[in-house]
Amino acid sequence: NAGVTQTPKFQVLKTGQSMTLQCAQDMNHEYMSWYRQDPGMGLRLIHYSVGAGITDQGEVPNGYNVSRSTTEDFPLRLLSAAPSQTSVYFCASSRLAGAHGGELFFGEGSRLTVL
Amino acid sequence: AQSVTQLDSQVPVFEEAPVELRCNYSSSVSVYLFWYVQYPNQGLQLLLKYLSGSTLVKGINGFEAEFNKSQTSFHLRKPSVHISDTAEYFCAVSDSSASKIIFGSGTRLSIRP
Repeated sequence: NAGVTQTPKFQVLKTGQSMTLQCAQDMNHEYMSWYRQDPGMGLRLIHYSVGAGITDQGEVPNGYNVSRSTTEDFPLRLLSAAPSQTSVYFCASSRLAGAHGGELFFGEGSRLTVL
Repeated sequence: AQSVTQLDSQVPVFEEAPVELRCNYSSSVSVYLFWYVQYPNQGLQLLLKYLSGSTLVKGINGFEAEFNKSQTSFHLRKPSVHISDTAEYFCAVSDSSASKIIFGSGTRLSIRP
C-alpha cells in the first residue's frame, strides 16, 4: 500500500533556484494539501485542492505555486527559493474535504534546505 | 477564520502517569476537531476526531478527548502513558464553511522511565 508518496525526501537548493516537490496518492482521494512544518509553529497550510482542476490558498501561500491536473498528483513549485522556505514539507490527502471531517493521510515529508 | 492554540510546547511525564494535553480553538461556526500524532521522522497519523454526537471521543492507543463547546476546548488525555507514547501531538480544527484543516503548534510529550 503506497498511500501518499513524496519525492524527493531531501533537497538542498541555492537562493533563487526553482524546484518542484512531487506528491502522488493512490487512494483516489479528492482532497489534497501541502503543509510546511517549522519548529514551534506546527503545520501551516500552504495550498489545498478539493479536486482535479481546483486549487486554493492556505495560510502561507506566498512563494509557492500548485496545480492539480489529475486526481492522483499535486505538485508544489518553488519558483525562486529563499532561505525562509527552509522547512519540512508534508503532502496530505483525504477522501473527504476538511469541511466534512475527513481524516488526512500524510506522506513521509520532504526536507528542504535553501542556502 | 478558525485557529488552534496548544498552550504547552512540551510536557514531561513519568511512565504510567496520566497526561493531559491542552487544546483550545476559535471559530464562529460549527467545528470538527482532530488530534494527530507524529513519531520521530514520520508523517502525522490520526489519533481521534470529533465530528458530532458524544462529546467524549475515544481514539487509538488508549487516548481520549473531550469536546467542551462552552470552553472551546478539546483536551487529549491518557490515564497511563508508556515510553512508546513519546511523540509530538497536534490538535487540528476545520469548520463547516471551509475545506481547510488548521493545525496547532504542537505539544512534545516526553516520557521519563
